[in-house]
Amino acid sequence: ETGVTQTPRHLVMGMTNKKSLKCEQHLGHNAMYWYKQSAKKPLELMFVYNFKEQTENNSVPSRFSPECPNSSHLFLHLHTLQPEDSALYLCASSSPGRMNTEAFFGQGTRLTVV
Amino acid sequence: SQQGEEDPQALSIQEGENATMNCSYKTSINNLQWYRQNSGRGLVHLILIRSNEREKHSGRLRVTLDTSKKSSSLLITASRAADTASYFCATESLSGNTPLVFGKGTRLSVIA
Repeated sequence: ETGVTQTPRHLVMGMTNKKSLKCEQHLGHNAMYWYKQSAKKPLELMFVYNFKEQTENNSVPSRFSPECPNSSHLFLHLHTLQPEDSALYLCASSSPGRMNTEAFFGQGTRLTVV
Repeated sequence: SQQGEEDPQALSIQEGENATMNCSYKTSINNLQWYRQNSGRGLVHLILIRSNEREKHSGRLRVTLDTSKKSSSLLITASRAADTASYFCATESLSGNTPLVFGKGTRLSVIA
């Protein structure tokens, strides 16, 4: 276990559904990230939160809506998704500003949009 | 972009052989990190090498860094079937305040 927990592990949703992905870490990190991993593509950074403030939105469509109520929890709200949004969504946390530290990843949520 | 680019994209070897993966990047860095990902799972940090280091070892892992060529290599010695996974490099910027950026990774298959 890496200390970063994602739920659910698998999710199948229709294009008209609304669902949320959850990420939780108790490592004392102040930065949390959402990455998207599609087949045969690099890991795509979606959002970055640092001390609960969104510091990066990597041109992500508005059908993905992040929420970070505190430094330990991160959500990704999903609505009216498209089949091409099917992917593995990974959450990570780290302590940026402290040099030479690594990122800790959750196990991911495998999302299938039907 | 300081995105890491791994090479080769896929590598298949026999158990007991050594596996070498390479990574190139574009801008100045504070450190370079290697991660491993089992199929459909999260990434796990393997090793970090700082910009002022040239070589680092951890168990069967050996990492080199050439900042003049902006490249790094990961060597896994005496490979095992359990080493089958994807391996990614990622770089940390000089400021340390920007998130890691990953490449497509190298898919390693170790055949027993």
